[in-house]
Amino acid sequence: GESVGLHLPTLSVQEGDNSIINCAYSNSASDYFIWYKQESGKGPQFIIDIRSNMDKRQGQRVTVLLNKTVKHLSLQIAATQPGDSAVYFCAENAPTGNQFYFGTGTSLTVIP
Amino acid sequence: GAGVSQSPRYKVAKRGQDVALRCDPISGHVSLFWYQQALGQGPEFLTYFQNEAQLDKSGLPSDRFFAERPEGSVSTLKIQRTQQEDSAVYLCASSWQGGGNTIYFGEGSWLTVV
Repeated sequence: GESVGLHLPTLSVQEGDNSIINCAYSNSASDYFIWYKQESGKGPQFIIDIRSNMDKRQGQRVTVLLNKTVKHLSLQIAATQPGDSAVYFCAENAPTGNQFYFGTGTSLTVIP
Repeated sequence: GAGVSQSPRYKVAKRGQDVALRCDPISGHVSLFWYQQALGQGPEFLTYFQNEAQLDKSGLPSDRFFAERPEGSVSTLKIQRTQQEDSAVYLCASSWQGGGNTIYFGEGSWLTVV
């Protein structure tokens, strides 16, 4: 099956710094990607998505970059805040299926 | 409701006991998904419904797992004769349509089998 992996399982940043979370995906046919944030004891929360016809998409303090050539996805968080501390997952969806495939996740810790 | 609602939030079951987990999707959402999340891992797909039709159950780990959505709204995931390896968070998600659309998750049902 598909494999969605993250380069770094943990990431610590100082409050106010920018954070970059990376994700590699294996299915070149995947055309829709979502980043989720999961806080302890809660379900995954939608942050931002991107389709394969785009390279970049911006939200409030977050930017997702998609590099289809190397099958790489990144999430950039500007001016990271303590409330951003959580596990972040990327998920991919291929047009041939309905399900999303998730990676293991990156745990982000923001140091005040 | 405003979001996906799951119950119970926490369930402790004795090994061999049957459990039923309920999911109430976002109103109007056609598609419903069940995922299983082990501690420290990402969610793993279990099954998918479009309205009342179960279109994909390829992720169900054994025939002890059964899901239904009889009226195309509320769904129930049933686990028979629970075993310790069934301990996990069971997440329900829904979307307006199927593939290629954002799926929104509930808070999960935390199952511990003792």
